[in-house]
Formats: sequence, C-alpha cells, structure tokens
Amino acid sequence: DTEVTQTPKHLVMGMTNKKSLKCEQHMGHRAMYWYKQKAKKPPELMFVYSYEKLSINESVPSRFSPECPNSSLLNLHLHALQPEDSALYLCASSQGWQRGLTRNTIYFGEGSWLTVV
Amino acid sequence: QKEVEQDPGPLSVPEGAIVSLNCTYSNSAFQYFMWYRQYSRKGPELLMYTYSSGNKEDGRFTAQVDKSSKYISLFIRDSQPSDSATYLCAMSLNSGGYQKVTFGTGTKLQVIP
Repeated sequence: DTEVTQTPKHLVMGMTNKKSLKCEQHMGHRAMYWYKQKAKKPPELMFVYSYEKLSINESVPSRFSPECPNSSLLNLHLHALQPEDSALYLCASSQGWQRGLTRNTIYFGEGSWLTVV
Repeated sequence: QKEVEQDPGPLSVPEGAIVSLNCTYSNSAFQYFMWYRQYSRKGPELLMYTYSSGNKEDGRFTAQVDKSSKYISLFIRDSQPSDSATYLCAMSLNSGGYQKVTFGTGTKLQVIP
C-alpha cells in the first residue's frame, strides 16, 4: 500500500479564517513533506519533517504553520492567508534514512485545493 | 543553468504511438531518478523509479538512465488517451533522513484517439 491520504480535497477560506490541512500515511515512512504547486509549475518544497522533527523550512511565511503529531500524521495550519496563497497543497512521504536502503523515493497524496477569497 | 532541464512540450501524438520524454541534469550527486504522472487537478503519481544506469521496464513504460551523460528518458509504448497528463521527471539524493528532490518543469502529453 503506497498511499498518502489528504483532507480536505477542496477548501475555500477567507483571509481572516483559520483552517488546517491534514495528511496521513501508514507506510512506516519517517520523512513527511509539504509542497505547494501552482498551475503549470512543478511542486515547490515548503517543509520537511524527518523523524517527527522539523528539518527544513524553506522560508515559508509564518501564516503557514506545520505540525507533526506523530510519525503517521502531518498537519498544515493556515491563518490570515492571502489570495496568492491559492494553490494545490501536496503532502508526501518517504522512508527516511536507512543503511543500505535501495528503495527510497517520495510518494505524494492527491492534494488539497485551496482557494483564498 | 537549471539543475534539471525538461522539454516543456506540449507534446501531441496519435493513439498507439511511441512517446519519448527526456530530462537532463547537471548534479552528479543525484542518487534516485523518478518519473511522475500528474493528471489535471491531482497529485503526482509515481510511475517509475530507478537508482542505477540502464533500463527499467514496467508494462508499456520504460525508464532509461544514463549517468555518464546525465540524461534520463521515459518511453511509453502503444500510447493510450488515458496517458494524457503532465509528466514530471524528478531526481533526488539522501539528505540526513529525507529526500532532497529536484523536479523538471513537466511535459504535457496529449494522446489523440
């Protein structure tokens, strides 16, 4: 089973709202990612959690706040977003580092379409 | 120079044609080479994955990696209208417990019935 599940699939929020995107995987992966994708562009990395610790924050504005409650779950809390934040938000996971590991690639969820009005 | 270059297309072919999608890269440290298929308004779906030079086949799809030339390709045989999507090449390397991934810009493919 190579499934990353994201909810909700669609979200419309006002600029003063607070909402959250959720992501779950049960593949035993120890690295989880948030990406943002705009139309006709490749995914752009936002955050990486490795073994439940935030490893990478790609200079993302503080109105995006990630959270990793455990090794299977990843949340992205949204507050005071701007219309230009409207995009497809992708969660992904990979196995993390293991000695001698040969299969180590990233699996994506179907994404959450976010529209900020 | 971008780390990964991919012909953006779009590419339009008749049903049954052989499709060739290509990417070049400049970073010789890349360890893993992937192809993702992305349908409109959906997340990228892992299609092919390899970590060594040579060919890897899965049904109608063949991934080819040439590390000496820093070149990867995806071949689709007997293309079907359901193959119409954007194809992203991606390359990654281990970086302290996670994968540092660099994507190509994507090639939009249309297979005409």
